[in-house]
Amino acid sequence: EIVLTQSPATLSLSPGERATLSCRASQSVSSYLAWYQQKPGQAPRLLIYDASNRATGIPARFSGSGSGTDFTLTISSLEPEDFAVYYCQQRSTSFGGGTKVEIK
Amino acid sequence: QVQLVESGGGLVKPGGSLRLSCAASGFTFSDYYMSWIRQAPGKGLEWVSYISSSGSTIYYADSVKGRFTISRDNAKNSLYLQMNSLRAEDTAVYYCARDHHGSDPWGQGTLVTVSS
Repeated sequence: EIVLTQSPATLSLSPGERATLSCRASQSVSSYLAWYQQKPGQAPRLLIYDASNRATGIPARFSGSGSGTDFTLTISSLEPEDFAVYYCQQRSTSFGGGTKVEIK
Repeated sequence: QVQLVESGGGLVKPGGSLRLSCAASGFTFSDYYMSWIRQAPGKGLEWVSYISSSGSTIYYADSVKGRFTISRDNAKNSLYLQMNSLRAEDTAVYYCARDHHGSDPWGQGTLVTVSS
């Protein structure tokens, strides 16, 4: 079973700052990694698929990179609506534990 | 528009059973893999199971293997999750999701509470 580890658990930033979230896999998942955003009381929303492809309607400030075991989600300049929990997922199966992006 | 609507959640005693349904609309259901994903209260996401477009390929998380059964009826545009031998730790919101380059979209979820 492939385990995904996300870091940090919590990221405290101000609007306009850059957010860098990490997801590390216990073994290679090639580029089969997706990122999701979840806000309180809502279902998750797909942001990035296949490591670096933005889903439909996702703003350009969201970008994904990486392959193999190390992946990064970058939000170039945080907007107020970006404060949420972010999850990575490999091959439509296991999820990481999540990173909460909170307002500093 | 693409829509997924889950139903069938509720309160059940430990050891009991429940069948969840997911009604799909706005896309050709029979073309897509589908998944069930759950989220315990205040916790992260946990993948439960997925099924191929024809139903011939199925995988389960170890935590539910042997107790849960995923199925689909392409003629009815519906996905199901039969949950048996339910435990307190199965308490969660259960989401269905379409799989295609990631899980997208997701339904709004249905709450399953396992408690005596």
